[in-house]
This record gives sequence, C-alpha cells and structure tokens, in this order.
Amino acid sequence: NAGVTQTPKFQVLKTGQSMTLQCAQDMNHNSMYWYRQDPGMGLRLIYYSASEGTTDKGEVPNGYNVSRLNKREFSLRLESAAPSQTSVYFCASSDFGTGRFFGPGTRLTVL
Amino acid sequence: QKEVEQDPGPLSVPEGAIVSLNCTYSNSAFQYFMWYRQYSRKGPELLMYTYSSGNKEDGRFTAQVDKSSKYISLFIRDSQPSDSATYLCAMSTNTGFQKLVFGTGTRLLVSP
Repeated sequence: NAGVTQTPKFQVLKTGQSMTLQCAQDMNHNSMYWYRQDPGMGLRLIYYSASEGTTDKGEVPNGYNVSRLNKREFSLRLESAAPSQTSVYFCASSDFGTGRFFGPGTRLTVL
Repeated sequence: QKEVEQDPGPLSVPEGAIVSLNCTYSNSAFQYFMWYRQYSRKGPELLMYTYSSGNKEDGRFTAQVDKSSKYISLFIRDSQPSDSATYLCAMSTNTGFQKLVFGTGTRLLVSP
C-alpha cells in the first residue's frame, strides 16, 4: 500500500516551458487535490477533484490545468511556467469524512 | 485577516518537555479540527482529528478544542527529538471536509 505517490520529486524548468506533475493513490479515495506550499503562505489549494470526472478550481488556479485521468490518477499541468510557480507541490487524496492524505511532494524551480 | 492563525515559531524545547502548539480561528462554523505533522522535505501526515469541543488523547499527543475562544491546541508530552517537525492545524465546517483550511504551521525543535 503506497498511499499517494508523486512524480517527479524534483524539477527545474526555464520560464515558458511546460510540464505535467503526476499523482496516483491506491486507497480508493474519491477526492483528490493539488496544493502548493510556499514559505509563510502555508498550503494553498490549486485544484481539486471531488470525484472521478469532476474538477474544480481552488484558491490559486491561474496558470495551471488538471486532469482526473481515472479514480487513481490526478495530474497537474503547467502550460507556460513562470518564476512565481517555483514552489513545492503536494497531491492529496481523501474520502468523505477523512482527512487529507498527502504525497511526498514535487520541488519545482522555474528559472 | 486569515481564517486560521498559527505562530510560525520556531519553538525550541529540551527533550522531555511538554509542548503546547496552538491555533486561533475566526470562523465560528468550524467544527472539525485536525493536526498534521510535516517533517522537513516530506508531505504532511495526519496526526489527530477532533470534532467540536473537548479533548482527545492519543499516546503522548492530546488535542484540545475550545470553541468559545476559537482556540485549538496540541500538547505533546515527553517530547522527543523525533518530534522536531512543523505542525499544521486544519479545520473544516462540514462532515465531508470538502473545504479544509490550513494554518501556516509552527516549527518545533526538540533538542537532546
């Protein structure tokens, strides 16, 4: 039981490049989330998927897109990376009435 | 004003001390309260979860909620160097926790 897994662990991009962060969970949870964590700002919700087939914007969705590929997988795409998107990205999953279960994170630097 | 406020620390204590970590909040509709622990360069992990007011104990950890003061606490007894981490509080208004609001975290350092 791996829980929530994320790839890659680290990534360096140049401004304007694109990339997709992958997330998978094996807990059969319905809901999945993407957060970013920045010093002094805490965890901020980018997008979430309450159930397979649905996605919704969180607090800070600009510059990102998501895809809920199936019940297990939820990807986050940066179409044209900007230095302001330098952050640590966490994927999480949950079911009704449970807390969030987080992945190990992706450290992204945009130069 | 943020919905959830948490002192960033760091809070430095010697091994064996009792630690008190706190959050204040402004939304009186919050009913579900959680504490997460985050080690450096790792994802947050759920430590404890409580509903409404009162105390909940789990080993060396006690979570306390005072809804009248809009104040929650996490106490760690007999603190260990392995407790050194950032502790985040989180809270929700509804059973499903669809909207979970996080504090920014308090960094705890326990020295041997």
